[in-house]
Amino acid sequence: QVQLHESGQGLVKPSETLTLTCSVSNVSISQGYFWGWIRRPPGRGLEWIGHIHQTGTAYYNSALKSRVSISMDTAENQFSMTMISPTAADTAVYYCARGGYYDPFDYWGRGTQVTVSS
Amino acid sequence: IVLTQSPDTLSVSPGERATLSCRASQTLNRYLAWYQLRPGQAPRLLMSDAYRATGVPSRFSASGSGTDFILTISSLEPEDVAVYYCQQRNYAGLTFGGGTKVEI
Repeated sequence: QVQLHESGQGLVKPSETLTLTCSVSNVSISQGYFWGWIRRPPGRGLEWIGHIHQTGTAYYNSALKSRVSISMDTAENQFSMTMISPTAADTAVYYCARGGYYDPFDYWGRGTQVTVSS
Repeated sequence: IVLTQSPDTLSVSPGERATLSCRASQTLNRYLAWYQLRPGQAPRLLMSDAYRATGVPSRFSASGSGTDFILTISSLEPEDVAVYYCQQRNYAGLTFGGGTKVEI
């Protein structure tokens, strides 16, 4: 069973950089598939952030593209998301998942709460 | 592409049918997926096009094409209380619908 687990800052200031990591178990992220990040702001629906392929090619939500970067660490079997200049509007539960592009998100982490506040 | 789900909230008695709608702002030539999100749990893939994901009960089904898509729960169980999202992946920019909350 593929398992994903998000970790990172639960509270971040607007002047800081938000970094979240997704640790993947029972499958190698270098063996194919896309790996993505999705978030759910309070009281709102799911929002796709971006996804990355094993080749390192990444795709981003155009609304977030200027502030977000997704990378992979195949040695640690992890992938990460970095967001610069977060605002209160970025407060959300952040999920990592396997999937993206034309693949559905078939395995998800349980999510991690991120709050942006000074 | 904008996905509009309706209704926002659907109240259904156990054993009754639940019909959830997802309408796209443009014709979807390929795939639509459906997800279930229960409080405190990881989102779960239910349907990829008309195909149920592994382990999904047969009471869930999906249909539709073009701009109009439907998720049907043929006989609602208490554990089906959740928020359901549709998602299009026809373009490199993926989008989710706003969700439909299903309650007993």
